[in-house]
Amino acid sequence: DAKTTQPNSMESNEEEPVHLPCNHSTISGTDYIHWYRQLPSQGPEYVIHGLTSNVNNRMASLAIAEDRKSSTLILHRATLRDAAVYYCILRGSNYQLIWGAGTKLIIKP
Amino acid sequence: ETGVTQTPRHLVMGMTNKKSLKCEQHLGHNAMYWYKQSAKKPLELMFVYSLEERVENNSVPSRFSPECPNSSHLFLHLHTLQPEDSALYLCASSTDRTGWGEKLFFGSGTQLSVL
Repeated sequence: DAKTTQPNSMESNEEEPVHLPCNHSTISGTDYIHWYRQLPSQGPEYVIHGLTSNVNNRMASLAIAEDRKSSTLILHRATLRDAAVYYCILRGSNYQLIWGAGTKLIIKP
Repeated sequence: ETGVTQTPRHLVMGMTNKKSLKCEQHLGHNAMYWYKQSAKKPLELMFVYSLEERVENNSVPSRFSPECPNSSHLFLHLHTLQPEDSALYLCASSTDRTGWGEKLFFGSGTQLSVL
């Protein structure tokens, strides 16, 4: 199964954009890139997913490199409520999500 | 509110006890999952049910016994657990288990402590 690599933690200021990177150099052509986040004392929450093209929704944007070996989750204007662990995951043909350690995002007021 | 409800939120049990975790989803989904999240470890898939039939058992010890009586309810029966089984147990559901673009909807989990 293809794996992802993310920084252990990142800090950002409130009301500024946040770019969370993810490397997935062994991604296969049919793997979808999923992002989830987990707020303290809660289960993971779906954020966004994509295959090849950049994607936008009300929570975030997903920028996917042309070679698909990396992607970036963009929070356009971070708030304190966005402090969470963010997981970048690949979903392939065996339907399983292989979870890593994620990036702990710290938002400074 | 994700539409997936887990009870209890916290559970403390001895190694000789028998207890059950309950999960209920109000989303009309066909697939339900049990995940284990230990401290400082990634989420591990334990069981998957699709249309009430178990389709995946990731070599989980037999002291964990799942039950899915219908597509809205999922149970995890626990007996003779070990202290290393202490973890956050998460239930999730999705429309179907097979879609590559499938979103998972998680409950808030049951924090289990085995003494």
